[in-house]
Amino acid sequence: DSGVTQTPKHLITATGQRVTLRCSPRSGDLSVYWYQQSLDQGLQFLIQYYNGEERAKGNILERFSAQQFPDLHSELNLSSLELGDSALYFCASSVVGDSNQPQHFGDGTRLSIL
Amino acid sequence: QKEVEQDPGPLSVPEGAIVSLNCTYSNSAFQYFMWYRQYSRKGPELLMYTYSSGNKEDGRFTAQVDKSSKYISLFIRDSQPSDSATYLCAMSDGDMRFGAGTRLTVKP
Repeated sequence: DSGVTQTPKHLITATGQRVTLRCSPRSGDLSVYWYQQSLDQGLQFLIQYYNGEERAKGNILERFSAQQFPDLHSELNLSSLELGDSALYFCASSVVGDSNQPQHFGDGTRLSIL
Repeated sequence: QKEVEQDPGPLSVPEGAIVSLNCTYSNSAFQYFMWYRQYSRKGPELLMYTYSSGNKEDGRFTAQVDKSSKYISLFIRDSQPSDSATYLCAMSDGDMRFGAGTRLTVKP
């Protein structure tokens, strides 16, 4: 058990809808990362937050947004969903904001768009 | 050309075999190197974490980094069916990049 908790485990929704994925980092970790994993793309970095502030941005679409709250949990919001957004979404956390440190992953949210 | 190249496999070996998993990279600024193991329907789990060149051993696992060749390896000795998973290499220069993962099956 990595200590990183993601909810829900599965989401099934339709095109055009909006969903929110939630992540609680390991106790003591200040940094949260979001990744998308699809069969043909591997792990794609989306965005990082450190202690409530956006730290780094990757290949995140404008339809996606995230935030980290004062209690350090984070939410990833996906809107105007398309079939191609179907994927596994992982959250990872680390102690500091430095991406050189190892990240610890949750078990992901599987998003299926019908 | 991708910054991190990893053969996706699949790789199938008999139980007890020595497994060699490899990644190459193009960015000479990478200083930190990691290997993650990912079981089906689970998140990646950190296996090995190394800084710069050299070897690191942890039980049946050995990680090697050759910065001059821009090449990293993970060796698994006495492989077990429970080692069947996808193995991801990762490396960082301040930003983490992951390989595509190699799917390994160890047959009893």
